[in-house]
Amino acid sequence: NAGVMQNPRHLVRRRGQEARLRCSPMKGHSHVYWYRQLPEEGLKFMVYLQKENIIDESGMPKERFSAEFPKEGPSILRIQQVVRGDSAAYFCASSPLALGVLNEQFFGPGTRLTVL
Amino acid sequence: GNSVTQMEGPVTLSEEAFLTINCTYTATGYPSLFWYVQYPGEGLQLLLKATKADDKGSNKGFEATYRKETTSFHLEKGSVQVSDSAVYFCALSDTGVQGAQKLVFGQGTRLTINP
Repeated sequence: NAGVMQNPRHLVRRRGQEARLRCSPMKGHSHVYWYRQLPEEGLKFMVYLQKENIIDESGMPKERFSAEFPKEGPSILRIQQVVRGDSAAYFCASSPLALGVLNEQFFGPGTRLTVL
Repeated sequence: GNSVTQMEGPVTLSEEAFLTINCTYTATGYPSLFWYVQYPGEGLQLLLKATKADDKGSNKGFEATYRKETTSFHLEKGSVQVSDSAVYFCALSDTGVQGAQKLVFGQGTRLTINP
């Protein structure tokens, strides 16, 4: 059973370009979390999605960032017009259920975004 | 809001030494507490967890006890191995919109074990 897959593992963008980060959850998991880790800091929650629904985006910056989890295909974290401050490691986690039960979140290896 | 503070690293020990990595938290309510480990080039893996006060989580020789009175969840291991070298994250669960179980992480502690 493959784990959570993220690609690309490393992404380099110039300021003003768009970055698309992909996350394929574990088989059977329909809940996805995105976290960001800035240099020398812990991971910070960004957004929680179920298939075709954004449930909690309280950690997402108000501008330039968006996320989706379509019925088919991976979850996408999209950053438009990247700036140097967006350079970070972005981690995706999936879980089988979320409501009312404490479920383990399984993490992917992360995408390291560098903005030049 | 809820937060986690953990011992700053890096921490370097010799093989078979005793390990403690301190973790304290600030939270409303009664969150669940976790330790995650990240090996080089990999994602975070759950090491152990505790869901209520006085619970002890344990795995692979590591232990941590949920101490409500001191709001702490310190990680310990009696005899470390070179293979324990990794970054360790303390975290708590924070319930968000529609039951979303957001994790709040400490900044991580890099542990290096020398033979």
